[in-house]
Amino acid sequence: IQLTQSPSFLSASVGDRVTITCRASQGIGSYLAWYQQKPGTAPKVLIYAASTLQSGVPSRFSGSGSATEFTLTISSLQPEDFAVYYCQQINLYPYTFGQGTKLDIK
Amino acid sequence: QLQLQESGPGLVKPSETLSLTCTVSGGSISVLNHRWAWIRQAPGREPEWIGSVSDTGNTYLDPSLKSRVTLSVDTTENQFSLRLTSVTAADTAIYYCARRTYRGGYAFFFDYWGLGALVTVSS
Repeated sequence: IQLTQSPSFLSASVGDRVTITCRASQGIGSYLAWYQQKPGTAPKVLIYAASTLQSGVPSRFSGSGSATEFTLTISSLQPEDFAVYYCQQINLYPYTFGQGTKLDIK
Repeated sequence: QLQLQESGPGLVKPSETLSLTCTVSGGSISVLNHRWAWIRQAPGREPEWIGSVSDTGNTYLDPSLKSRVTLSVDTTENQFSLRLTSVTAADTAIYYCARRTYRGGYAFFFDYWGLGALVTVSS
C-alpha cells in the first residue's frame, strides 16, 4: 500500500495552523498513525487509529480521516514542532510510511 | 520505562551479513499484544519497515527483503535479532528496533523505539 503525503515541504510561522494530508493507494480503514521525527532521533508517535492522540502529546495535534484520505493538523505551531512528519499504515503487511513532510520555520 | 537498545557492527563489507541485536529493558519481551520490529531509514529517506517478530518466534517480513532477512527472538535474554545477508551499499541506513503495540480496534502503532544504529556497507 503506497502512502502519498502532501505537501512534501511546508514553511510556516509560530502560531500558524497547518494541515498535512496523507493519501493511501487503497482503503486502510483507520489503520493509520502519524509520527514526528527530529534530526538525530527516532520517530515519535503522535496519533494512532487515525484520530487518537497518544498519551503525552499536546492537544494542538489532531488527526482525522479514514479509508484513503487522512489529515494531521497542528492548530497553533510552536517552535518545537518544526520537524519531519510521516504517516504510516498498519493495515496490511508490509507496513509502509509516507515520504514525509518537512515543516520549516518561515 | 521500557527501553530498547540496538547493538552490532557499524561497518559491514559488501556481500557479507549484517547482524544486529535489540535488547529490551524495563519490561518483558513476552507480553501479549506486542510485536518487535526492525525498521531502517536511509539518509534523507522515509523509514522502511523490515519485519516483525512475536515472542513465540512468528515472523512477518517485507516481501522485497524476505529472501535475505532472518528475525529471531530470545525471550530468556529479552532480546530479538536481525540478520540481513548479501548486503550492498543500498543497505546503508540507520537501523531501529521498535515495539509495535496493539490497544484494540484500529490501534496498532510503534510506541517505543531504540536510538538507532548506523550501519554502513563499504569495503
